[in-house]
Amino acid sequence: GESVGLHLPTLSVQEGDNSIINCAYSNSASDYFIWYKQESGKGPQFIIDIRSNMDKRQGQRVTVLLNKTVKHLSLQIAATQPGDSAVYFCAENRKNSGGSNYKLTFGKGTLLTVNP
Amino acid sequence: DTEVTQTPKHLVMGMTNKKSLKCEQHMGHRAMYWYKQKAKKPPELMFVYSYEKLSINESVPSRFSPECPNSSLLNLHLHALQPEDSALYLCASSPHIVRGANTGELFFGEGSRLTVL
Repeated sequence: GESVGLHLPTLSVQEGDNSIINCAYSNSASDYFIWYKQESGKGPQFIIDIRSNMDKRQGQRVTVLLNKTVKHLSLQIAATQPGDSAVYFCAENRKNSGGSNYKLTFGKGTLLTVNP
Repeated sequence: DTEVTQTPKHLVMGMTNKKSLKCEQHMGHRAMYWYKQKAKKPPELMFVYSYEKLSINESVPSRFSPECPNSSLLNLHLHALQPEDSALYLCASSPHIVRGANTGELFFGEGSRLTVL
């Protein structure tokens, strides 16, 4: 299954399947991106990051892909497990409205549910 | 386990009360943040402190007053709040302020869930 992120905020997969969570960002000047996982009742937890001079980065069971041409970010989770059930947020680093500082801005999030 | 500690975990207050949320980190980070998160919404930045100085205020109403007494502590003083201020308040820290490509992850606490009656 695949989530369009902003328009389909939920993704349900079977345990063991691969998951793909998508995110569109708005600012072409954003140069750093992070994926966070937030379990119910907890704060966001870092998963993986990527800088704009890269198009792919791999971690343990996770891969982030960055397409700057279309301003699109995706998170791939291999062999999804029940413990992966959470809300996943992409976040982009961009200048604030005053233009003097950067701030980390979160996307709308996707709820991933893993069925055993 | 998170290394950013927030207290209290839950807080219920009336609109005339004065209360404070506290955040502590001992990772030597010099940037600290307050985010507000409503149910099923992403965290929204409120304030950023860099080296104990307020660096960003995202046009937050004055009924929220941040304070950074030292490099390990961050407070959020609350006064005359409204029911719509009920939310999860998240504190985060990073080694230095997020700036361009020279950045790193933010470490979040578990949040303080605030209910305003």
